[in-house]
Formats: sequence, C-alpha cells, structure tokens
Amino acid sequence: DGGITQSPKYLFRKEGQNVTLSCEQNLNHDAMYWYRQDPGQGLRLIYYSQIVNDFQKGDIAEGYSVSREKKESFPLTVTSAQKNPTAFYLCASSTTWTERNSPLHFGNGTRLTVT
Amino acid sequence: AQKITQTQPGMFVQEKEAVTLDCTYDTSDQSYGLFWYKQPSSGEMIFLIYQGSYDEQNATEGRYSLNFQKARKSANLVISASQLGDSAMYFCAMREAPNFGNEKLTFGTGTRLTIIP
Repeated sequence: DGGITQSPKYLFRKEGQNVTLSCEQNLNHDAMYWYRQDPGQGLRLIYYSQIVNDFQKGDIAEGYSVSREKKESFPLTVTSAQKNPTAFYLCASSTTWTERNSPLHFGNGTRLTVT
Repeated sequence: AQKITQTQPGMFVQEKEAVTLDCTYDTSDQSYGLFWYKQPSSGEMIFLIYQGSYDEQNATEGRYSLNFQKARKSANLVISASQLGDSAMYFCAMREAPNFGNEKLTFGTGTRLTIIP
C-alpha cells in the first residue's frame, strides 16, 4: 500500500547532538513538507519542497535543515542550534502544487525528546 | 495576524448529536482551498473534507459537511450524528498561493472534541 513512512516513532537525544528524522513516501508525490506540533498546539511549517533538489523555509526553519535528493525522501535534521527541539514532528506529501484540492497525506509522526 | 482561527479549544457533545466546529480564515488571495483534518490520540492526521474558494456548493463527505460562508471568511465543520470514535483533535487548514510555486498549508490551533456516551 502507498503511504508515508516516518522513522523512528520515538527518538531520544542528548542536548547538543544533531538528529535526523526520516521521511519516505511511495505515493509519487512531488511536494513534501515537515511540520512541528507542540502539545495542545496546531501544526507549524518547518520546511517544504515542491520538487527534487529544491526546498523552501517555512515559518519556523531556524535550527533545522533538510535535503531533497530523491523524490521519495525528505529527511529533516534537527541541529543543536534549535533551542527547544522536543516536539512531535509530522511529515506530509501531496500531488502537484497546482491542484489546490490536493490534500496533504501525513506520516504517523516522530516524537523527539531532547534532554 | 492569524491566518486560521479556531476559537473553541475544547467541546463536549452528547453521542448522536450534531456538532459544529468553528473556523475563520484570513487571506487576500482569490483562489484558495480549505481543509479539515482529524487527529486521534494516536497522532496520525486524517483528511476529512475540502472546500475550494470558487466552489458554489458546500462540500459534503458522509457525516461531514462544511458550512462555507465566503463573505464572512468562515468554514465551519459540521459532524452529524456524532459517534464515540469522533473524539479527537480537529484542525482547520488553508492552502493559498500568494507566489507562483510557493504554496503551503497553514493550520489553526485545533479544537479538541469529546463525545460523551
């Protein structure tokens, strides 16, 4: 079945370490997104990519980095510069960005805890 | 200014009753899309319903319908005959494209719906 796979489901890191969250999709979607969700909050956009080898900063990109070397993959690195990295991270994808009715398909998320 | 506003942080509804979740939005774009997602306690995001800014009819999907009032910039979700499984967080979101090739989806802060047996 097609879908989006995020791994791992839970991730624990020490403060000061970089960590990379994986996101893979087999839906043949062009666009991919990373969102952050804090407890009781909505989703805030970190980075998004409309096409391979191109990506744009979202609303809260500071302390994060991404790459889009393959259509299927959009890994997110949480760097030590991110001041409050503990959160629930959701990856999403969608078909061509010209189709405004195209919903985002989400992965099941990665819960990152930094101590 | 908030792009998407959901003013009800939490709601309690008796099973089998209808419920309306409020959503107002702010955009200067003429063409945009509005989405509702459901997030159960497991964390997954489930797409429920879509309304385009040029759609003349209100969207419906099974027990879900969208009360779209364009002049008021309002896109409320109506769930008919609520069920215990409807207990979850509900997010309203908007997709706009102020710049060509620069689309993104903006979410509200959500409403936690609890269905009471």
